[in-house]
Amino acid sequence: AQKITQTQPGMFVQEKEAVTLDCTYDTSDQSYGLFWYKQPSSGEMIFLIYQGSYDEQNATEGRYSLNFQKARKSANLVISASQLGDSAMYFCAMREPYNTDKLIFGTGTRLQVFP
Amino acid sequence: GAVVSQHPSRVICKSGTSVKIECRSLDFQATTMFWYRQFPKKSLMLMATSNEGSKATYEQGVEKDKFLINHASLTLSTLTVTSAHPEDSSFYICSASPAGGPWHEQFFGPGTRLTVL
Repeated sequence: AQKITQTQPGMFVQEKEAVTLDCTYDTSDQSYGLFWYKQPSSGEMIFLIYQGSYDEQNATEGRYSLNFQKARKSANLVISASQLGDSAMYFCAMREPYNTDKLIFGTGTRLQVFP
Repeated sequence: GAVVSQHPSRVICKSGTSVKIECRSLDFQATTMFWYRQFPKKSLMLMATSNEGSKATYEQGVEKDKFLINHASLTLSTLTVTSAHPEDSSFYICSASPAGGPWHEQFFGPGTRLTVL
């Protein structure tokens, strides 16, 4: 079964607009972590934001926020005020420390920001 | 944030040769390092988990005799692709978890692009 599902292979957004990238996950563990990474064409994986399963508030990091809906098992990434430099692949990932303790990635969403 | 380096960043080799890729944590000690493989337009797939001083744990379907991993120190792990073939061409990325750090911290290297002719 897919642990992490990203249903949007590609997304377009106009500069300065907000965009939401979807991510749903599957786990029976109570303790887990959810991550978003950005991968530009250079290939490096850039950590954006982390949400722990016990965190009651949604994580925020600058223009990035994570819309964590535990009951729905979703962890969508919201990017506000998009910039041209935000164009990249975005990966959602999950780690279960008391299970496999491995970072499992979704298939990614390619975001393109246009002027 | 913590820095992880990889060397080389890009390598082209002939079929049948072996290639060694280094992964170093520059400003922290890493008890655990991870090796991933990424095909074009695909996601990262974990190949193996490397713990300092012990044998690596390989994921199902990954040939341990083909992808040799050595985690000789707390700051260095190496991946050797033995007898490389064109199908081994891929983007290889390592990551490292700082010793004593929060469990969820994992820092990625910039990746190594391997092309086997």
